[in-house]
Amino acid sequence: ELKVEQNPLFLSMQEGKNYTIYCNYSTTSDRLYWYRQDPGKSLESLFVLLSNGAVKQEGRLMASLDTKARLSTLHITAAVHDLSATYFCAVDTNQAGTALIFGKGTTLSVSS
Amino acid sequence: EPEVTQTPSHQVTQMGQEVILRCVPISNHLYFYWYRQILGQKVEFLVSFYNNEISEKSEIFDDQFSVERPDGSNFTLKIRSTKLEDSAMYFCASSDGDYNQPQHFGDGTRLSIL
Repeated sequence: ELKVEQNPLFLSMQEGKNYTIYCNYSTTSDRLYWYRQDPGKSLESLFVLLSNGAVKQEGRLMASLDTKARLSTLHITAAVHDLSATYFCAVDTNQAGTALIFGKGTTLSVSS
Repeated sequence: EPEVTQTPSHQVTQMGQEVILRCVPISNHLYFYWYRQILGQKVEFLVSFYNNEISEKSEIFDDQFSVERPDGSNFTLKIRSTKLEDSAMYFCASSDGDYNQPQHFGDGTRLSIL
């Protein structure tokens, strides 16, 4: 059974600080996705990571994938209040059109 | 930008009643999915659908659940006899099968079972 674990589950940050969210998964998937969810809202795609060593950046967020360690990280640089949300990583099983297995999510709260 | 649309946004139903949740996937997408999220918990996969048949389902997707693509645009999830524990947000998603592209999610239907 594919398992996806995120930590931390809750993160309270001050504006301007840096932090990293970790996502570990249990099988040899090569594809990992990061989504953002605002309270009561849908899931917004942030990053698609498709291979070992993949690194993608968008604004203050940078995601990376190490398939050998089965680990992805989401690094937040100089946090701002607008980044407050829940962040989910999800893994699929290397076939087109298969299920995404989600982690429990990391709820990020950024305060001034 | 094309969107996945879901109706209704909120459905309140008595326990034991049937409910149908509706979704219009992005028009050129081939793969369709249902997920659910119980309040405050993680997103759980229910079922995927391709070429007019179920391609994968989870153990949550038991005989009380069914999916259908009744026409060229809609994708539905039916729960035959709802239980209190079916209360959740249900998300529809679609994808074109390109590994470079994520699954696109709708805004969800909040299902409340009384």
